[in-house]
Amino acid sequence: AQSVTQLGSHVSVSEGALVLLRCNYSSSVPPYLFWYVQYPNQGLQLLLKYTTGATLVKGINGFEAEFKKSETSFHLTKPSAHMSDAAEYFCAVSEGGSYIPTFGRGTSLIVHP
Amino acid sequence: DAGVTQSPTHLIKTRGQQVTLRCSPKSGHDTVSWYQQALGQEPQFIFQYYEEEERQRGNFPDRFSGHQFPNYSSELNVNALLLGDSALYLCASSLGRSNQETQYFGPGTRLLVL
Repeated sequence: AQSVTQLGSHVSVSEGALVLLRCNYSSSVPPYLFWYVQYPNQGLQLLLKYTTGATLVKGINGFEAEFKKSETSFHLTKPSAHMSDAAEYFCAVSEGGSYIPTFGRGTSLIVHP
Repeated sequence: DAGVTQSPTHLIKTRGQQVTLRCSPKSGHDTVSWYQQALGQEPQFIFQYYEEEERQRGNFPDRFSGHQFPNYSSELNVNALLLGDSALYLCASSLGRSNQETQYFGPGTRLLVL
């Protein structure tokens, strides 16, 4: 069975600082991995996804994530935080043959001026 | 190009009532998935419809049912509402059978059960 663990329910950074949101997964087969962002009172928006190929994935809004199979991780980074990045971030995993992602519990990103 | 739309945006019901939520997928998409997101929690998968049939179902009771129409729009029905059904209900659409396809989410319907 697939599962996702997001370390830290809240992450606080200063504007301009590095953003690092951690995600570890468990999967019995090669996974597909996703990061979604959710702004207050809105639906989810896909930031980036990994399916196959290059392990460093670039997404929207300057975010990127690296798939590390040996560490079963898919951490999300952004070099310089912006106030508009404040939101809830969800990591998700799906396995081949399953059409459905399993979401982590989410990390709330707080950006201080 | 309209994205995923959901109606209504907000809804208040009382325990024991029934509710129907509606979703129109993004243009060109033929697959619709429904999720329940309780306050402060992650989305939980309810079910997915493809070609007017339920393709996969999550761990939700039979009180939750759905339908997909020939135009690919979808409805989520919940019978005998419980207080615990209060949540944001998200609809997501995608194209085809592959789970590599991006799911596009609507803004959700916020249901409050009193």
